[in-house]
Amino acid sequence: DGGITQSPKYLFRKEGQNVTLSCEQNLNHDAMYWYRQDPGQGLRLIYYSQIVNDFQKGDIAEGYSVSREKKESFPLTVTSAQKNPTAFYLCASSVSGTGGVGGTYEQYFGPGTRLTVT
Amino acid sequence: GEDVEQSLFLSVREGDSSVINCTYTDSSSTYLYWYKQEPGAGLQLLTYIFSNMDMKQDQRLTVLLNKKDKHLSLRIADTQTGDSAIYFCAESRMDSSYKLIFGSGTRLLVRP
Repeated sequence: DGGITQSPKYLFRKEGQNVTLSCEQNLNHDAMYWYRQDPGQGLRLIYYSQIVNDFQKGDIAEGYSVSREKKESFPLTVTSAQKNPTAFYLCASSVSGTGGVGGTYEQYFGPGTRLTVT
Repeated sequence: GEDVEQSLFLSVREGDSSVINCTYTDSSSTYLYWYKQEPGAGLQLLTYIFSNMDMKQDQRLTVLLNKKDKHLSLRIADTQTGDSAIYFCAESRMDSSYKLIFGSGTRLLVRP
């Protein structure tokens, strides 16, 4: 089955610690994304990557870092510099970050990781 | 502006139709999407419509797009209790194709 996996589903950390959230896809998608969701709000883009070894900041990148060493993997590190890290984190992927010729831009999402920092 | 707006809550009786509305502001939108999110889960793509279309039907789902008013709606026919979820509309734009702009979601409650 093709899809996107995120692990773990729930993650607890103490304030001041960095934590890395995993995202893996076997859809052969070029583009991958990280979003943050807070209660009662829509999704906000943290980082995105259109191709291996390249990534760009989204709207709320401060306090986060990413890497894209493999096409299948796009891990997100929540650093101690992130002031309000407790949230639901969603990873997504799409065929291409640019839609391709005649293509669409639909993104497919993983099940999410709920991070709680105390 | 970047806003995509949705009403927060909709309650319907099982078997009735549900209509979830969304307005967006950018006329350069290329595709518009509807996603469904069940509690504690990721987003599931339900359907999408290209901006030069007026309507798209897919089984119980009907999407209507009024580009002049920048209004998008999702109609769910014969709504079931399993349709209870949060529904997000999202748009992609010609100038930033990678980025989806999401509304804040409409919580649909289906009463038995």
